[in-house]
Amino acid sequence: AQKVTQAQTEISVVEKEDVTLDCVYETRDTTYYLFWYKQPPSGELVFLIRRNSFDEQNEISGRYSWNFQKSTSSFNFTITASQVVDSAVYFCALSEHGTSGSRLTFGEGTQLTVNP
Amino acid sequence: KAGVTQTPRYLIKTRGQQVTLSCSPISGHRSVSWYQQTPGQGLQFLFEYFSETQRNKGNFPGRFSGRQFSNSRSEMNVSTLELGDSALYLCASFPGRGENEQFFGPGTRLTVL
Repeated sequence: AQKVTQAQTEISVVEKEDVTLDCVYETRDTTYYLFWYKQPPSGELVFLIRRNSFDEQNEISGRYSWNFQKSTSSFNFTITASQVVDSAVYFCALSEHGTSGSRLTFGEGTQLTVNP
Repeated sequence: KAGVTQTPRYLIKTRGQQVTLSCSPISGHRSVSWYQQTPGQGLQFLFEYFSETQRNKGNFPGRFSGRQFSNSRSEMNVSTLELGDSALYLCASFPGRGENEQFFGPGTRLTVL
């Protein structure tokens, strides 16, 4: 069975600090996809990134960056120079190749609060 | 392109009643998945429909059911509501094939009294 663990339940930082959200996953599949979603107070899950298991290149998108390491089964997310608008719950998720990415297993989520 | 829409946004029911939630996916998307989010259990997969057929199913009792119409719109139904069914129900839209991310709707918040 697949599992996603986000050990950090809550993180609080001051604006402009860098923050890293941890994600560790378990799966028996050799082909799988990893995702990060952001959930603001409105409730809607906002897609941030998708990674497949064969692509270990790190990715940067503006202030966001992701570090995927298969050797440690981790897919960590870093926000550089955090802003108050980054305050939200962030979820890491995993899907297996066989389901064509349509069934996601989510971590417990990390509540990020960025204080001014 | 319009996003995923869910109706109603808020719903209050009493124990024993049944409820139907609706989800309209992004135009052209043929897959709709449903998730339940509660403080205790987090986000859990309910089921997925693709081209009017249930393609995947999570570990929920038979009181939870769904269907998909020919226009890809989907409904989920919960019968004999229990207090523990109070949750945010999220619908996700997906083209159906390929390495594409799922787009989520705003959710329906169900409160069972």
